[in-house]
Amino acid sequence: GAGVSQSPSNKVTEKGKDVELRCDPISGHTALYWYRQSLGQGLEFLIYFQGNSAPDKSGLPSDRFSAERTGGSVSTLTIQRTQQEDSAVYLCASSPSGLRFYNEQFFGPGTRLTVL
Amino acid sequence: TQLLEQSPQFLSIQEGENLTVYCNSSSVFSSLQWYRQEPGEGPVLLVTVVTGGEVKKLKRLTFQFGDARKDSSLHITAAQTGDTGLYLCAGGSNDYKLSFGAGTTVTVRA
Repeated sequence: GAGVSQSPSNKVTEKGKDVELRCDPISGHTALYWYRQSLGQGLEFLIYFQGNSAPDKSGLPSDRFSAERTGGSVSTLTIQRTQQEDSAVYLCASSPSGLRFYNEQFFGPGTRLTVL
Repeated sequence: TQLLEQSPQFLSIQEGENLTVYCNSSSVFSSLQWYRQEPGEGPVLLVTVVTGGEVKKLKRLTFQFGDARKDSSLHITAAQTGDTGLYLCAGGSNDYKLSFGAGTTVTVRA
């Protein structure tokens, strides 16, 4: 079956512009995560969606970042007024259930964002 | 935030050699996962260990979870060029979040 897909694969934007990153999780997976991966650093948790519950936004670095998940499936991560420090690879992952501490996360290929 | 430290940061070896990657923390985790990530792709889960002292073998890869569940190691025997990649450890607690280490970049030379 299809894995997690993300689009675009690469995005180059100018400082101050808004960008939208899209994630299509594996069908039937109730949990969806967004991470940011910077060079030489691990994955930084951004936001978590589980079913119809309120999302955990505790990892969003500033109010310029927001995310939504429509119909319990597709998710969009929006970064407003982009800054150069936002340049990174943004990874999306889905999981059959995010309710167990040992749940496996299935990752998409990521979107590489470059802010000039 | 629970921190996981991985060492070494970079590792370059010849095909056929053995290697070990370490993942350490001052925090106790309920589970420890190892992922491998190749350029341009997302991480792929290799193994999950949940019991202190647990050892799991996956072909040439051996994973160990420390008795106190604060550390883990990944050992590769007779490395192959296909083992090249970024190895990430991730600790799980009693919720849905994983704390990731910064990763170890492994290069296996032919």
